[in-house]
Amino acid sequence: EVQLVESGGGLVQPGRSLRLSCATSGFAFDDSAMHWVRQAPGKGLEWVSSISWNSDRLHYADSVRGRFTVSRDNAQNSLYLQMNSLRPEDTAFYYCGKDRLRYFDWAVDSWGQGTLVTVSS
Amino acid sequence: QSALTQPPSASGSPGQSVTISCTGTSSDVGSYNRVSWYQQPPGTAPKLMIYEVSNRPSGVPDRFSGSKSGNTASLTVSGLQPEDEADYYCSSHGGSDRFYVFGTGTKVTVL
Repeated sequence: EVQLVESGGGLVQPGRSLRLSCATSGFAFDDSAMHWVRQAPGKGLEWVSSISWNSDRLHYADSVRGRFTVSRDNAQNSLYLQMNSLRPEDTAFYYCGKDRLRYFDWAVDSWGQGTLVTVSS
Repeated sequence: QSALTQPPSASGSPGQSVTISCTGTSSDVGSYNRVSWYQQPPGTAPKLMIYEVSNRPSGVPDRFSGSKSGNTASLTVSGLQPEDEADYYCSSHGGSDRFYVFGTGTKVTVL
């Protein structure tokens, strides 16, 4: 069974940092591109960042470029999102997701349950 | 990064069909057959329903179908059932500028 479990969310003050983790199992993690997608409470889905199977291709939404960094550890079957200089508008549920392909099909066929990040003073 | 445009809501009675549109531009939906559709019931994570415009993952009922014409993609749910009530989102490759873009979302209500 494919499983993705996010962790690391919480309440943080504006300007501070947070690191999200996504632990995976049940599939060939080192053969899959991965994505981070967020959803502000009561709002729609917003793509955040993507990483190819071997980390040679990294992509970011304009809203987070320069502040967020995506990475992965294939030996640990884990995905990460380092979030710096956090802003109130970054408040959202953050989902990690598995792409269908090792590079990108832009189709997330498995999702975690999400972790809530709240940026507030 | 502007989202793809979807109608805010759609509805139908059990057994009827509903079609949701997803309008982008020639730089995203119009240029790539990388359109996906997701179903998200309240309080749950999204679920992939359609990928590459019209392909269904294993386990998705054939009542769900996808298509594309020009800059607009569509999801049709035939034979509506109560469990189809959810928010639906489209997504597409956005090219080198935007990479990945989601739609604004459509709330489907089964009357």
